[in-house]
Amino acid sequence: GDSVTQTEGLVTLTEGLPVMLNCTYQSTYSPFLFWYVQHLNEAPKLLLKSFTDNKRPEHQGFHATLHKSSSSFHLQKSSAQLSDSALYYCALSAATGGNNKLTFGQGTVLSVIP
Amino acid sequence: GPKVLQIPSHQIIDMGQMVTLNCDPVSNHLYFYWYKQILGQQMEFLVNFYNGKVMEKSKLFKDQFSVERPDGSYFTLKIQPTALEDSAVYFCASSLWQGEQYFGPGTRLTVL
Repeated sequence: GDSVTQTEGLVTLTEGLPVMLNCTYQSTYSPFLFWYVQHLNEAPKLLLKSFTDNKRPEHQGFHATLHKSSSSFHLQKSSAQLSDSALYYCALSAATGGNNKLTFGQGTVLSVIP
Repeated sequence: GPKVLQIPSHQIIDMGQMVTLNCDPVSNHLYFYWYKQILGQQMEFLVNFYNGKVMEKSKLFKDQFSVERPDGSYFTLKIQPTALEDSAVYFCASSLWQGEQYFGPGTRLTVL
């Protein structure tokens, strides 16, 4: 079955340094990949979604590139801000069929310190 | 942006009792989902629902679970009877046709 792996449970960074959160996946299909962000006591919100034409999605300074050869969709940002502190989930959805269920990774807590 | 509401935010019940978790999805959305997250673990798909029917359910969706959307209003998850292992945060989500899923803030269920 499908699976998503986020190897880091917690990433602590100083403000202004670059961010990279890892995400790899296994799927029998050619899936769509997503990054969701969840701030404390709030709902998870979609941050980025992979495109079928391999364009690099960007939002709020974050970007991610889908590499099918390595089955990865790492999240990056050039300069971390204090407001980026949150829980980040990588997820996938199968591209085929009418079912749009999401398979989530374990989540990575990003803590940005001054 | 569009918001999904979940009521209640917390629920504490005794094992064996029935519980209903309520979700108020985005008004024009057609697909509805429940996910379960046990403390310290990842969110896992439970079930999705479209046009009044369950489309797919995971192995976590036990016989004691049921979903419905009576009168086209709240999308509900009912657990009857509850068990200790049902303690978790339950997230509701809704979407248009294969579009972005919008999540609610979750209901924390504690079964004693």
